[in-house]
Amino acid sequence: DAGVTQSPTHLIKTRGQHVTLRCSPISGHKSVSWYQQVLGQGPQFIFQYYEKEERGRGNFPDRFSARQFPNYSSELNVNALLLGDSALYLCASSLQDQETQYFGPGTRLLVL
Amino acid sequence: AQSVTQPDIHITVSEGASLELRCNYSYGATPYLFWYVQSPGQGLQLLLKYFSGDTLVQGIKGFEAEFKRSQSSFNLRKPSVHWSDAAEYFCAVGAGLTGGGNKLTFGTGTQLKVEL
Repeated sequence: DAGVTQSPTHLIKTRGQHVTLRCSPISGHKSVSWYQQVLGQGPQFIFQYYEKEERGRGNFPDRFSARQFPNYSSELNVNALLLGDSALYLCASSLQDQETQYFGPGTRLLVL
Repeated sequence: AQSVTQPDIHITVSEGASLELRCNYSYGATPYLFWYVQSPGQGLQLLLKYFSGDTLVQGIKGFEAEFKRSQSSFNLRKPSVHWSDAAEYFCAVGAGLTGGGNKLTFGTGTQLKVEL
């Protein structure tokens, strides 16, 4: 079975631009979570979605938004990019919102 | 609020030697605890998890971890390290969200180097 997939794998943007990152969960998983991993640190929680509803949000500004589609895939959107948004963005899926999370390979975003 | 501390930023061991990576957590309720491994440029792979029951849990690749409530610890161990184990290791605690979900709080990671 395919694991969690994310696209694109790498992305370069300039300050002020907008970016959309995509995630497809493991088949049968209904929950998707997003994490930001800055170089040299552990991942930080951004959002969790379950059955298209937001279950929780981490300490991130409103420039960060996300949604989940009927097929349980998800998008993470970041507006008005800052240099500090450069990071590896990880998507994780789980059967339900309280279950073990399995991670995708991530999207590496570089903001210049 | 929950937190995870991994005291060792870098650890170097010789191939074949035993390994113990330390993890201490802070969480008010019974914790869900995890160890993940990350190879360079990759996502996170789940090694093992503790939800309840037996405090010694077995994982993939020959890893095990022991939950000690009295010490708020969840240390990862392997009896004999292989060169392919070189990677970054993250300990995480799962905590409930007010919306009914669950988020992971990670430590800062321990970078493992294996000398041949």
